Amino acid sequence: DAGVIQSPRHEVTEMGQEVTLRCKPISGHNSLFWYRQTMMRGLELLIYFNNNVPIDDSGMPEDRFSAKMPNASFSTLKIQPSEPRDSAVYFCASRVNTGELFFGEGSRLTVL
Amino acid sequence: DQQVKQNSPSLSVQEGRISILNCDYTNSMFDYFLWYKKYPAEGPTFLISISSIKDKNEDGRFTVFLNKSAKHLSLHIVPSQPGDSAVYFCAASAANQAGTALIFGKGTTLSVSS
Repeated sequence: DAGVIQSPRHEVTEMGQEVTLRCKPISGHNSLFWYRQTMMRGLELLIYFNNNVPIDDSGMPEDRFSAKMPNASFSTLKIQPSEPRDSAVYFCASRVNTGELFFGEGSRLTVL
Repeated sequence: DQQVKQNSPSLSVQEGRISILNCDYTNSMFDYFLWYKKYPAEGPTFLISISSIKDKNEDGRFTVFLNKSAKHLSLHIVPSQPGDSAVYFCAASAANQAGTALIFGKGTTLSVSS
């Protein structure tokens, strides 16, 4: 079975550009999470959805960040405009009810 | 403020010895705790968990201990192997339900030398 699929795996962009990260959760999972990993803050929760509905977006750093989940099989995390301090590895994860949280391989973002 | 704290950024252990990774939490509502393991260029993977109704859970070489009064948990790996070298994240949630999220610590990098 396919795990959580994230794209792109690597993104290098210039400051001010729009960045869109994509996630396909495991089929049948009803909760989806976006985390960001940095050396300073570790694995930081940005936002999570339950049954496609955003539950808590208090971890989203600024209005430059937005996330959507239009259906059960797809989510996006958008940064517009991007800044160098947004450079990090962004992880998407999904779970079903009380099950284990499965992570994707991450999207490494570098903003120059 | 970090609700889940891993105060040791790194730990070095010799093969065959015990590795002890520590984690503290501040939110008394947390009642479910997990450890995740992460290799470079991969996503974190689930290792072991413990509910607040227990004080110990064991799975092979891995044992997690929970001290609720001290708001402290630890992961013991015995015996440690070179393949255990990875970043270990402690995580907690207020309830093991779909409507809640896992809060992670900053991680501890474990290096096991042969």
